[in-house]
Order: sequence, then structure tokens, then C-alpha cells
Amino acid sequence: EAGVAQSPRYKIIEKRQSVAFWCNPISGHATLYWYQQILGQGPKLLIQFQNNGVVDDSQLPKDRFSAERLKGVDSTLKIQPAKLEDSAVYLCASSFQVSGELFFGEGSRLTVL
Amino acid sequence: SQQGEEDPQALSIQEGENATMNCSYKTSINNLQWYRQNSGRGLVHLILIRSNEREKHSGRLRVTLDTSKKSSSLLITASRAADTASYFCATDAGGSYIPTFGRGTSLIVHP
Repeated sequence: EAGVAQSPRYKIIEKRQSVAFWCNPISGHATLYWYQQILGQGPKLLIQFQNNGVVDDSQLPKDRFSAERLKGVDSTLKIQPAKLEDSAVYLCASSFQVSGELFFGEGSRLTVL
Repeated sequence: SQQGEEDPQALSIQEGENATMNCSYKTSINNLQWYRQNSGRGLVHLILIRSNEREKHSGRLRVTLDTSKKSSSLLITASRAADTASYFCATDAGGSYIPTFGRGTSLIVHP
């Protein structure tokens, strides 16, 4: 079974530039999550999708972050404009059912200079 | 917000010893999960324990849950150098069903 795919693995940009991350969850997983993990901390939820609908985006900085999940499969997370404090690893995870085991991708490491 | 907090923050042991790490949380939960993260990698699921369960085993892993104390522990027996990683607990509370992670315990197992 193929795992959760994320790209790019690494991205370096300057502040005020934009960046986009892509995630392909495990086939058949209706629930998709984006987490932000700052060095030395645990993952912090940014947004949760159930199929192509948003379940929770209360911690997503909506003035600069946006996310979508077209057709209930792939998802993209965009940051525009980026700030220095956005430097982190962005983790995508999917699960077959709500409140079940999460399957994580390898993450996309963002460095904002 | 509901969040598990792991203790200790860091743990250093010798190969063959047991490693115990704890997770405390604040409000009632639906379930509690433990994950492992190797440096520079994504998280890997270890065990899920439901609020009506008290203990679960998986290979060298043993997880306990005490809902009266709002705490859980993860025991790794006969540790190996390959167990070196960060370990996180994740809880979901009430009707949210959204896993919320703590800061993790960094485990180093010396060969």
C-alpha cells in the first residue's frame, strides 16, 4: 500500500514570497490533516478535511495560509506572504476514519530567510 | 485546547534497559495514541488505546491508560539503539476527534 506522498521535501524562500505544498493521501482515506511542526515542538494542527469539506481550520492563519482539497483526494497548502516564523516542517496525514490511526507523510521542510 | 504533555522531555538509557515515558492530559478523551518520529522523518503510529481500555501491548511496547488520573504511559522493554527517536502522545477530546499532540519525549538509546 502506497503511503502519504508530500512534495517538495525541502523549500527555501525569502520572506514575503509564496510557497505551496502538495499532499496525496492514502487511497480511500476520507480524512486529511495538515500539521505544522516547529523545531523541538509537537505537530500543531492547521486544518482538517473530511472528503473535500473543512472540518476544522480554527488554527490556520487565514490572512496568509490557505488550503484546499479538490475532489476529496489531493490537497495543497499555500503560504502567501511567508514570514520568518513560518519556518517549520509541514506534515500531511490521512486516516480511514475520524478518531483513527493517522498515517503521516515525510513532511515538507520550509526555511524562510 | 486539549493537549497531552509528555514527561520526561528527554531520556537517555543504555541498550537493553527499559524506557518509560508518560503523557498527561486535561479533559476527557475518546482515545489516546502514541507515535514515534525519527529525526527528519514523519510520524509513525505505534498504539491507539481507547478511553474504556486500561492496557495494550504491541511487541516490546506496553501502553497503560488511567482515565481517573488523566495519564498514560508508554513502556519500551529491552530497548535497542534503533528505538532512538522522539515519542509523542496524541489525544482527542469530546466531539472534536482531532488528534492533538504534545511536545514529545526525546529518547536516546546508547549501544
